[in-house]
Amino acid sequence: TQLLEQSPQFLSIQEGENLTVYCNSSSVFSSLQWYRQEPGEGPVLLVTVVTGGEVKKLKRLTFQFGDARKDSSLHITAAQPGDTGLYLCADANSGYALNFGKGTSLLVTP
Amino acid sequence: NAGVMQNPRHLVRRRGQEARLRCSPMKGHSHVYWYRQLPEEGLKFMVYLQKENIIDESGMPKERFSAEFPKEGPSILRIQQVVRGDSAAYFCASSPPVRGLGYEQYFGPGTRLTVT
Repeated sequence: TQLLEQSPQFLSIQEGENLTVYCNSSSVFSSLQWYRQEPGEGPVLLVTVVTGGEVKKLKRLTFQFGDARKDSSLHITAAQPGDTGLYLCADANSGYALNFGKGTSLLVTP
Repeated sequence: NAGVMQNPRHLVRRRGQEARLRCSPMKGHSHVYWYRQLPEEGLKFMVYLQKENIIDESGMPKERFSAEFPKEGPSILRIQQVVRGDSAAYFCASSPPVRGLGYEQYFGPGTRLTVT
């Protein structure tokens, strides 16, 4: 099973700051997904990236897929308290069984 | 347009009892997946089902766990003779019958099982 490493494990910042979290793999992703999970809820799909070098934007969130398709980053501009949550990356290299990293737990304080 | 529904949201069982977790997929979705999230661990795949068929149960513990997705009604994850180590959040996800990019799956809110 592909090993996904997410960093940092925890991040606490103040409202208005920028941040980047990372997802790295031991092998090539066929496609990579980013999810956000709020406390007590299930993960919510944010984006799917497929092509090496791909960049996708979702409002203040920018997702980048590495050229070699072994890493990805999520950048949040001007973080807000509503961005608080667990950010998970996942790959579907094995087909339908998503393989998740352990996540980055983000806390944005006012 | 209801999302994936799971019930109960919280379930408390004593050691040795049975736990039944239910999942109703999104409308139009015929593929269901179950995942488990243990403290300090990520989400782990357990089983993939289509209507009346178990496609892949490679992530399920060999004993005490079973899953079904009948022709009518919700998908059920059943845990017999629960032990403390079964305490976790169990998530169901669903996807449409046509494969999308990377099997995009939509998750329910989860059932938090506590074994006392």
